[in-house]
Amino acid sequence: ETGVTQTPRHLVMGMTNKKSLKCEQHLGHNAMYWYKQSAKKPLELMFVYNFKEQTENNSVPSRFSPECPNSSHLFLHLHTLQPEDSALYLCASSQDVKRDGSYEQYFGPGTRLTVT
Amino acid sequence: QKEVEQDPGPLSVPEGAIVSLNCTYSNSAFQYFMWYRQYSRKGPELLMYTYSSGNKEDGRFTAQVDKSSKYISLFIRDSQPSDSATYLCAMSYNFNKFYFGSGTKLNVKP
Repeated sequence: ETGVTQTPRHLVMGMTNKKSLKCEQHLGHNAMYWYKQSAKKPLELMFVYNFKEQTENNSVPSRFSPECPNSSHLFLHLHTLQPEDSALYLCASSQDVKRDGSYEQYFGPGTRLTVT
Repeated sequence: QKEVEQDPGPLSVPEGAIVSLNCTYSNSAFQYFMWYRQYSRKGPELLMYTYSSGNKEDGRFTAQVDKSSKYISLFIRDSQPSDSATYLCAMSYNFNKFYFGSGTKLNVKP
């Protein structure tokens, strides 16, 4: 069973709602990631945190707001989303973004988000 | 042009067949190449990792990288129904950012 957990597994929200996705890793890793996976599209990297510092923001709209209070927890705060934001949101962790050889990312099961 | 191109399939083969999955890419700076397997309702899991060009074998799986052609492949020998999943290729040049293909859905029929 994966060492990365995500809650909730499914979420339906209206365009005016505010909700948060939670990710927790139990692997002692220092880097955490948010990805968006839409049908028939490549995984899109959204945010990268390394030692709690954001190192990558892949031009993500401001209606997605990440938070990384410590190396084990990652949140994605959602507000005023659009129907096209409906997708599977995956969290991943790895040992350390910058250390060569630490290539392996461990993924959580994802949160299936539907925006109505 | 997309950074990474991957045929979405679906690819349907009989049990025991050799499966070939492929990706092409446009950025010659990529040095690290990975294959992930994703079962339905699960996150991707790393299958194989290759640095630069060459082959790597792990059991029934072989990963090949041809940097001159910007082409990577994953071969699955003696395919099993349990191999039915979506296979994602991914690549990177600095480990800060990973570029994924859209995934190929594989169905191995008993």
